[in-house]
Amino acid sequence: QKEVEQNSGPLSVPEGAIASLNCTYSDRGSQSFFWYRQYSGKSPELIMFIYSNGDKEDGRFTAQLNKASQYVSLLIRDSQPSDSATYLCAVKTNTGFQKLVFGTGTRLLVSP
Amino acid sequence: EAGVVQSPRYKIIEKKQPVAFWCNPISGHNTLYWYLQNLGQGPELLIRYENEEAVDDSQLPKDRFSAERLKGVDSTLKIQPAELGDSAVYLCASSPRLAGGPKTGELFFGEGSRLTVL
Repeated sequence: QKEVEQNSGPLSVPEGAIASLNCTYSDRGSQSFFWYRQYSGKSPELIMFIYSNGDKEDGRFTAQLNKASQYVSLLIRDSQPSDSATYLCAVKTNTGFQKLVFGTGTRLLVSP
Repeated sequence: EAGVVQSPRYKIIEKKQPVAFWCNPISGHNTLYWYLQNLGQGPELLIRYENEEAVDDSQLPKDRFSAERLKGVDSTLKIQPAELGDSAVYLCASSPRLAGGPKTGELFFGEGSRLTVL
């Protein structure tokens, strides 16, 4: 089992719709969870982090965390074509050395 | 404030040749990471430094890869000899620190060095 799992997509949504990106993780002791956005040919950039169960909202983005289910998600409301990118879920693990483990990423395509 | 600087951006070499990548982290960031990213995959950690000390190099293929971070600032990642399977993007990232609580962990990435081994 991979430490962090994501559906590679692509996830296609029309402009204005809600995009829902999901991630599961295996280490129950994980402390915090990050969503990075990576445009094609560019490096990842952080857009959200969450460490408490529940929802965290920042503009059009909402991160959701359910530690009991080992599940974290990212919702993008009013999706725009400029949101088209790969979204990487990263988990700060608590086993051995603390480190960020990335999923394979979900490619999001927002069509005008 | 300057971001993480990497060079070269692109490198094409023949297999069995050596190659080196350089990284200058954000000023004041104690933690430096080298990640490898294959096409369609997420970044995979190769090595993490806390100042000059390599605190996690468990994923670094030590038979051909080496890294150093002299004086706790710049870092160099070397591959010798390169193999076809080493073709990937090598990402350097830095952060103020990783340990210290759940809120820490934001990594700032450089643009990456894309390696093609022929």
